[in-house]
Amino acid sequence: QKEVEQDPGPLSVPEGAIVSLNCTYSNSAFQYFMWYRQYSRKGPELLMYTYSSGNKEDGRFTAQVDKSSKYISLFIRDSQPSDSATYLCAMSRGISGGYNKLIFGAGTRLAVHP
Amino acid sequence: DAGVIQSPRHEVTEMGQEVTLRCKPISGHNSLFWYRQTMMRGLELLIYFNNNVPIDDSGMPEDRFSAKMPNASFSTLKIQPSEPRDSAVYFCASTLLGGDQPQHFGDGTRLSIL
Repeated sequence: QKEVEQDPGPLSVPEGAIVSLNCTYSNSAFQYFMWYRQYSRKGPELLMYTYSSGNKEDGRFTAQVDKSSKYISLFIRDSQPSDSATYLCAMSRGISGGYNKLIFGAGTRLAVHP
Repeated sequence: DAGVIQSPRHEVTEMGQEVTLRCKPISGHNSLFWYRQTMMRGLELLIYFNNNVPIDDSGMPEDRFSAKMPNASFSTLKIQPSEPRDSAVYFCASTLLGGDQPQHFGDGTRLSIL
């Protein structure tokens, strides 16, 4: 079993829809949770970063962490064609020993069509 | 600001040849990571440097892979001899260690071994 599970999709939605992307994980020691967006033929770019449980909002994007269920989500409101990309969740135990090793999900490919 | 710079962007070579991938991290960052991304295995950490010293190379697949960081502004990942199963996109990322600093990725080198 992988430490981080993420449905690879693809997920296709119409413009303006609310998108929900999810990851589950098995390691209860994870404390830092991230969402990266990766456009085709580009490197991943950090989209959202949260520590421990709770919600974080940034414009059209909301990240949620439920540590009791070992489940994280990314919501995209009013989705746009420019949101079409692969979304990777990532998490880490923290910086114990000065090292923040990230474990990535497989990525979910999202297509927003006009 | 200049991001992480990788070269070459694309590399096609024949099996058995030596391949060298290059990375220039963001100025001032003291941690550097090499990742490999494939459809089958997703994004995997190969090696991590802190202050130019390799700290964790447990992800390096085998002795054919080696990485160096001779100074704070340059790193190489070498494969010798290369094999078709090494075909993947190789990413370099850098960060400033400590606190909640995220990793910043380059745009990757797309490697094809024939």
